[in-house]
Amino acid sequence: DAKTTQPNSMESNEEEPVHLPCNHSTISGTDYIHWYRQLPSQGPEYVIHGLTSNVNNRMASLAIAEDRKSSTLILHRATLRDAAVYYCIRYSGNTPLVFGKGTRLSVIA
Amino acid sequence: DAMVIQNPRYQVTQFGKPVTLSCSQTLNHNVMYWYQQKSSQAPKLLFHYYDKDFNNEADTPDNFQSRRPNTSFCFLDIRSPGLGDAAMYLCATSGLEGGPRTDTQYFGPGTRLTVL
Repeated sequence: DAKTTQPNSMESNEEEPVHLPCNHSTISGTDYIHWYRQLPSQGPEYVIHGLTSNVNNRMASLAIAEDRKSSTLILHRATLRDAAVYYCIRYSGNTPLVFGKGTRLSVIA
Repeated sequence: DAMVIQNPRYQVTQFGKPVTLSCSQTLNHNVMYWYQQKSSQAPKLLFHYYDKDFNNEADTPDNFQSRRPNTSFCFLDIRSPGLGDAAMYLCATSGLEGGPRTDTQYFGPGTRLTVL
C-alpha cells in the first residue's frame, strides 16, 4: 500500500513549469516524502525528498503543505526529456520504498 | 560510470526453464533490492538484502530466490518461470546515507524477461 494518491496522467508544454501533486493525508510525523521518476525503458531514479520545508535541487523543487497532507513536485521548465512516470512515496525508513501507480507526464513540443 | 549494472538487459527463457538474472554495483552499498515491474504497473519489491541478511516480501512466490555472494553482486533465480513472470526485473541499492528515512535508492536499467 503506497498510501499516496497521484493523478494518473498529466500533460505539459515544453519549457513551461509543471506542478505534479501528491496527496498523503495519513502521513505520520516522521515520514519523509520522496519522489522518483522512471524514464521510458529505464529504472527509476531519485528526484528529491523532504520532510516539512520546501526543498530545491538541480532537478526540481518540492513544496510540502504546512499540514504535510500533500506535496507538489515542481519542474521549473519541462523538457521532452522530463517525460516519465513520477512516483511520490511516503518513506518511514522502516521498510523499503513502496511505489504507487505514479503520474505519467507527457511533454508536448 | 555505471553504478548499478544488470546483465543481461534482455533475457528470453522457456516456460519452466530456470533462469538467473544478475546485478552488480560499484557503490559499495550494503542494501540490495530486487523489484518486479510488469507492463504499465509500478515496481513491486520481491526481496532485499541488508548485508547478508535476506528479507523476503510476504507475497513473493517461492519460485523466486536470491543469492548475494558478496557486497557487489546479487542474483535473482527463477526456478520455473511461468508466462506470468514475464516482466522487467529491477535491481537497486542503497547505502543508508543520512539515515533510513532520507535514504536514496539507485536503480539499474533492468532486465526484461520474456517467457516463451
